[in-house]
Amino acid sequence: GQQLNQSPQSMFIQEGEDVSMNCTSSSIFNTWLWYKQDPGEGPVLLIALYKAGELTSNGRLTAQFGITRKDSFLNISASIPSDVGIYFCAGLAGGNAGNMLTFGGGTRLMVKP
Amino acid sequence: EPEVTQTPSHQVTQMGQEVILRCVPISNHLYFYWYRQILGQKVEFLVSFYNNEISEKSEIFDDQFSVERPDGSNFTLKIRSTKLEDSAMYFCASNPTVYNSPLHFGNGTRLTVT
Repeated sequence: GQQLNQSPQSMFIQEGEDVSMNCTSSSIFNTWLWYKQDPGEGPVLLIALYKAGELTSNGRLTAQFGITRKDSFLNISASIPSDVGIYFCAGLAGGNAGNMLTFGGGTRLMVKP
Repeated sequence: EPEVTQTPSHQVTQMGQEVILRCVPISNHLYFYWYRQILGQKVEFLVSFYNNEISEKSEIFDDQFSVERPDGSNFTLKIRSTKLEDSAMYFCASNPTVYNSPLHFGNGTRLTVT
């Protein structure tokens, strides 16, 4: 099946630093989504990307849909303690794969005040 | 903002018992899903449901699993005879349309099989 490779697996940064994480795949996705998961809760949508090359921001978060449709990155600028959590990329292939989301393995972000 | 709600938040059951996990999707959404997340692992697709029938399912969703929309609001996942390896967080999700439409997730039910 389709797989998303997400990196890094974890990051421990100082408050105020910028963060970058990315996902790559061997297959094409038509939609890329970035979710954040806090402990004991479900994934919460941060950014949705629908077109190759698209660059979208949501506050301090910026994500891009790679030109090849096989990758995406998420940047967080000026991190704050509440950014702590697990960030997941997710891809939607569409077509014969329907509406099944494929998730990356997650990036655990820890922020030191 | 409308939410997907799931009950119970935590369910403990003995191996071999049947469990039913309940979800109330967002009211105007048409597509419903179950995903699961084993502790420390990625979120995995189980099944999607539209127009009162399963539209897609993964290899995980074997004969022990079933889904139902018993009325206009609830969406349930039943595991007939639980196994230890069924212990996981189970997330319900919904979206209004199939194509290019982000899924909205509930807060999950933590299932512990002993």
